Amino acid sequence: KQEVTQIPAALSVPEGENLVLNCSFTDSAIYNLQWFRQDPGKGLTSLLLIQSSQREQTSGRLNASLDKSSGRSTLYIAASQPGDSATYLCAVEENFNKFYFGSGTKLNVKP
Amino acid sequence: GAGVSQSPSNKVTEKGKDVELRCDPISGHTALYWYRQRLGQGLEFLIYFQGNSAPDKSGLPSDRFSAERTGGSVSTLTIQRTQQEDSAVYLCASSLVGGSRYNSPLHFGNGTRLTVT
Repeated sequence: KQEVTQIPAALSVPEGENLVLNCSFTDSAIYNLQWFRQDPGKGLTSLLLIQSSQREQTSGRLNASLDKSSGRSTLYIAASQPGDSATYLCAVEENFNKFYFGSGTKLNVKP
Repeated sequence: GAGVSQSPSNKVTEKGKDVELRCDPISGHTALYWYRQRLGQGLEFLIYFQGNSAPDKSGLPSDRFSAERTGGSVSTLTIQRTQQEDSAVYLCASSLVGGSRYNSPLHFGNGTRLTVT
């Protein structure tokens, strides 16, 4: 069974720092990988979706990379802001519409 | 257009009571999922609907849990004889499954926070 792990579980950084969140998965036979953001008391918001044939995707200050063969993805956040504080989750799609989620990294960006 | 809508946003119920949670997916989205998220934990898959196909119920934790999707749109998750361990946030998501599955991100509702006392 696919297992998705996110490290670290929590991260606290001062405003302005660049940071990297990590996601690893055990079975490389995936269709795509998504990064989500979850604010307290809210649902998940999709940030980036990387197809299995792609290596990275970028949106504004966010850059996500995918190394399918090694079962790893990273989410890079440039010039972090207090508004980036949230929990970030990654999910892989394996088989048709079967998603497996990590337990998330809780990010706190201090002003 | 509107996103995924879930109701109620909060539900407090007594142990042993039945509850119904509702999800309105984005119009035109053929795939609909229910997930459970316990405090401080990741998402736990419950059930998946795709069009008119038989749902994938492999994640339902017990026979007290059931879900239906009427007319390929609105879905209801029912929990019978609720237990305290059912307390969690129940999240619904939908996606557009068209010609290119690879460009079909999941869209989530804000969830229903269920508390069983």
